[in-house]
Amino acid sequence: EPEVTQTPSHQVTQMGQEVILRCVPISNHLYFYWYRQILGQKVEFLVSFYNNEISEKSEIFDDQFSVERPDGSNFTLKIRSTKLEDSAMYFCASSEPAEETQYFGPGTRLLVL
Amino acid sequence: DQQVKQNSPSLSVQEGRISILNCDYTNSMFDYFLWYKKYPAEGPTFLISISSIKDKNEDGRFTVFLNKSAKHLSLHIVPSQPGDSAVYFCAARVMYSGNTGKLIFGQGTTLQVKP
Repeated sequence: EPEVTQTPSHQVTQMGQEVILRCVPISNHLYFYWYRQILGQKVEFLVSFYNNEISEKSEIFDDQFSVERPDGSNFTLKIRSTKLEDSAMYFCASSEPAEETQYFGPGTRLLVL
Repeated sequence: DQQVKQNSPSLSVQEGRISILNCDYTNSMFDYFLWYKKYPAEGPTFLISISSIKDKNEDGRFTVFLNKSAKHLSLHIVPSQPGDSAVYFCAARVMYSGNTGKLIFGQGTTLQVKP
């Protein structure tokens, strides 16, 4: 069964460093998303992406964040200068056109020291 | 921001019995509601969804009921199995133009099914 994959599974970085989280969505999906879950909190929407542009972003998704689909398979989330409060589990998701179901990857646990 | 709320942080049931997980919402603009199951160190796994124009959807052991007037939905698992032990998230979709949408999640309910 097709699935969303994410790399790395864990990332430890120093505050102020840039990180890139990678995702390979399900191959025939056209809509891509990033969510995050801070420990003990809800899963929160960050951004949605379609047709090579951002469709919607939350207030969390400030200028330090960016997304890109550099080729036909990868979807990346970049945090330019990480802060301690960026420590969270980051989930990538994808969905088919006009379908409500979003399929999630296993997540990347980011720890900012 | 409490648009989707799961008031029970945990639920424990005996194997073979019914598990009922509840979810309340405040936004009438949600068009779909979804249930996800999550094991530790894994991503949310889709279980079942329901359109806002329906009141029931069933898939095997899983049934979701939607009460729009009460802004309440519930997930029934019958019969419950030990492998169902996980965190269950209720999520609601907000649609934007261009057929994209975002999911708003509840806090999750940890279900334990005892053998």
